[in-house]
Amino acid sequence: AQSVTQLDSQVPVFEEAPVELRCNYSSSVSVYLFWYVQYPNQGLQLLLKYLSGSTLVKGINGFEAEFNKSQTSFHLRKPSVHISDTAEYFCAVSEPGGYSTLTFGKGTMLLVSP
Amino acid sequence: EAQVTQNPRYLITVTGKKLTVTCSQNMNHEYMSWYRQDPGLGLRQIYYSMNVEVTDKGDVPEGYKVSRKEKRNFPLILESPSPNQTSLYFCASSSRGGQANTEAFFGQGTRLTVV
Repeated sequence: AQSVTQLDSQVPVFEEAPVELRCNYSSSVSVYLFWYVQYPNQGLQLLLKYLSGSTLVKGINGFEAEFNKSQTSFHLRKPSVHISDTAEYFCAVSEPGGYSTLTFGKGTMLLVSP
Repeated sequence: EAQVTQNPRYLITVTGKKLTVTCSQNMNHEYMSWYRQDPGLGLRQIYYSMNVEVTDKGDVPEGYKVSRKEKRNFPLILESPSPNQTSLYFCASSSRGGQANTEAFFGQGTRLTVV
């Protein structure tokens, strides 16, 4: 069975500062990895995904994530955040070869203040 | 525009009164699923469907039913809602197939309150 751990439930940061949201996963097989973002009162939107190939993945809104197989991690980063990045971020994992059953972490609330 | 549509967006009901939350997608996706989102618990899968007439339990199926009579629709049914089913519900769909199709598309959510 696969699982996802998001180590921080809440990350406060000032505008224009860099941020890293941490995600670790466990799985007995190879995985696909995802980051989704949920803005207030909205559904989830895909930020980026790792399927294979380059371990550095770039997504929308200036976010990127790095897959580290040895550390079983997929941390999300942004070099300079904006107020509009305030949202909840979910890391998710699924197994290749089948249907896209996603297992989510518990989420990290990113709070950007001026 | 590709989308997953849930209705209603908000619902307040009383304990024991049967309700249905509808979900429809226009992307011809085979796979659809329902999640509930609760503070501190993230998203947990309730039921999923791999195709028409094929459904299976997720992690928290108790108290819920689903049906998949048509490819585009996947309603969530609460036969006898209870207060512990107060939650934010999301429907999602995705396509079976290659790596490019592994993204899940989510509806806007249904906030259900059971009193």
